[in-house]
Amino acid sequence: AQKVTQAQTEISVVEKEDVTLDCVYETRDTTYYLFWYKQPPSGELVFLIRRNSFDEQNEISGRYSWNFQKSTSSFNFTITASQVVDSAVYFCALSALNSGNTPLVFGKGTRLSVIA
Amino acid sequence: NAGVTQTPKFQVLKTGQSMTLQCAQDMNHEYMSWYRQDPGMGLRLIHYSVGAGITDQGEVPNGYNVSRSTTEDFPLRLLSAAPSQTSVYFCASRRQVNQPQHFGDGTRLSIL
Repeated sequence: AQKVTQAQTEISVVEKEDVTLDCVYETRDTTYYLFWYKQPPSGELVFLIRRNSFDEQNEISGRYSWNFQKSTSSFNFTITASQVVDSAVYFCALSALNSGNTPLVFGKGTRLSVIA
Repeated sequence: NAGVTQTPKFQVLKTGQSMTLQCAQDMNHEYMSWYRQDPGMGLRLIHYSVGAGITDQGEVPNGYNVSRSTTEDFPLRLLSAAPSQTSVYFCASRRQVNQPQHFGDGTRLSIL
């Protein structure tokens, strides 16, 4: 079975601070995919990034960066120089190739509040 | 591009009523799913489908039915609404297992 744990329920930071959102996953599959989604106050779910289990390179997109470490089963998300517009709930999710066709398994989310 | 379209956006029901939440996608995706989102619980899978005529249960299927008669549509039926089904419901679709899911805008459902 697949499981995603986001231990941080809520985080509050002051604008321009850096913040890291933690994601720990569990799966027995060797081929799997990790995702991050953002849910702003308006409620829609916005896809941010996908990572496959064979690619451990870190990725940077503007102020966003992701650190994938198979050794610790973690896929952490860092926002550099946070802005008020980053305030949202962030979800980490997992899809394993050999788990049949089950959809993404989501963590419970981390609510990030960026204060001006 | 319409993507994934959910209707209605809001609905209030009385306990015991039935209703259908509609979901349609125009991306020719085989995989579709329904989630519910409750405070502090994240997104929990209700039912999913891997193609027309094929459905399966997720983590919290009780009280809900689905069918998949076409690739485009995946309606979710509440048979006899209960207050515990008050939630925000999201429909999603994706092309393949390794692809991200595209989500609809959600349906906010209140059961009185």
